[in-house]
Amino acid sequence: SQTIHQWPATLVQPVGSPLSLECTVEGTSNPNLYWYRQAAGRGLQLLFYSVGIGQISSEVPQNLSASRPQDRQFILSSKKLLLSDSGFYLCAWGSGNTIYFGEGSWLTVV
Amino acid sequence: QKEVEQDPGPLSVPEGAIVSLNCTYSNSAFQYFMWYRQYSRKGPELLMYTYSSGNKEDGRFTAQVDKSSKYISLFIRDSQPSDSATYLCAMKWSSGGYQKVTFGTGTKLQVIP
Repeated sequence: SQTIHQWPATLVQPVGSPLSLECTVEGTSNPNLYWYRQAAGRGLQLLFYSVGIGQISSEVPQNLSASRPQDRQFILSSKKLLLSDSGFYLCAWGSGNTIYFGEGSWLTVV
Repeated sequence: QKEVEQDPGPLSVPEGAIVSLNCTYSNSAFQYFMWYRQYSRKGPELLMYTYSSGNKEDGRFTAQVDKSSKYISLFIRDSQPSDSATYLCAMKWSSGGYQKVTFGTGTKLQVIP
């Protein structure tokens, strides 16, 4: 069966520091991969999605970036965090009719 | 107008009640319809998905889609305190060869013992 791993689960970072969140999927090949951010009362916001290695599409312009160095690995990065980057970040993979989420990463920028 | 509208609640019901959760949408391109359950500080968990109008049942859960009215529902029978969570509707569609998913903002449900 397919599983998705996401880490770290929680992190507190100072403003201006870099960020790296990592996600890996097991049990499937060539999945569509997604990064979402969830802010209180605002639902899930799609940040990036990828249909293959090195293929990244950005939905929302901001100081975040994503990379897919391997088929089942998806990384969310920032060079300099802003206070507004705080939130719950979710990696997901897509298969046919639906998508499945990881457990998420809570980011607090202080 | 948002593509997907969902009442944020909160919705409080007594244990054993039938719960009805609803979403409306405006994009006729939506092809697949999903419901997720999200517990506090956890990732959303897929409950059900369907692609056609009509009902789909899985245990205590029934998903209903009415494409003509652009309206979907999730019914929970014999609700339990463990059903207390936020429920998200989601709709999947194709755009430019890519599969995209649009979510509602979620309805917070509390089942009171």
